[in-house]
Amino acid sequence: DTGVSQNPRHKITKRGQNVTFRCDPISEHNRLYWYRQTLGQGPEFLTYFQNEAQLEKSRLLSDRFSAERPKGSFSTLEIQRTEQGDSAMYLCASSFDGTGSRELFFGEGSRLTVL
Amino acid sequence: AQKVTQAQTEISVVEKEDVTLDCVYETRDTTYYLFWYKQPPSGELVFLIRRNSFDEQNEISGRYSWNFQKSTSSFNFTITASQVVDSAVYFCALSEFPSNTGKLIFGQGTTLQVKP
Repeated sequence: DTGVSQNPRHKITKRGQNVTFRCDPISEHNRLYWYRQTLGQGPEFLTYFQNEAQLEKSRLLSDRFSAERPKGSFSTLEIQRTEQGDSAMYLCASSFDGTGSRELFFGEGSRLTVL
Repeated sequence: AQKVTQAQTEISVVEKEDVTLDCVYETRDTTYYLFWYKQPPSGELVFLIRRNSFDEQNEISGRYSWNFQKSTSSFNFTITASQVVDSAVYFCALSEFPSNTGKLIFGQGTTLQVKP
């Protein structure tokens, strides 16, 4: 039974470059979430999918950010024209849920450093 | 608005001491869920417990126990006889049930250091 997988685990990029992170959720999970965590803070919600539909986006998700889950399985989070303020850990989580009552299962995160 | 506050930023104890991590939440919802997660240095958030708003019974799991008090909007976590392996960042989180999104609102986290 594999957990949530994220890659790359670490990404160092120069300001202005585009980066893409991938998340593979637990296979039977229909919901997938992206969170951002900065140093010393708790994770902050960015967006979530139910199957392939993106149902909610946080106002934290500027128009430089785009997330997809094309076949309702893996998801990608792309950041265009990266800025130093984008440096953070990007966490993916999944659940099999329709009520909001279940725990989320998290991956180990993708750490982004923008120079 | 929903909010979770963990007032203790860092706690340091010596092994075998008991330690309590505080969590206070705010919500207008009558139905909600509360969670605790552990984040070790590897970064992965590990689920510890889920409690719904209608169940105020305290829960014990080995050295871990949780005290849920609706009257004070608190959901505190106690580790008995702490061990070095308990060193991690602990997060309390709130789920908004009526919105049905399943998304969690996290507190700022408490870093626990257990010294040998």
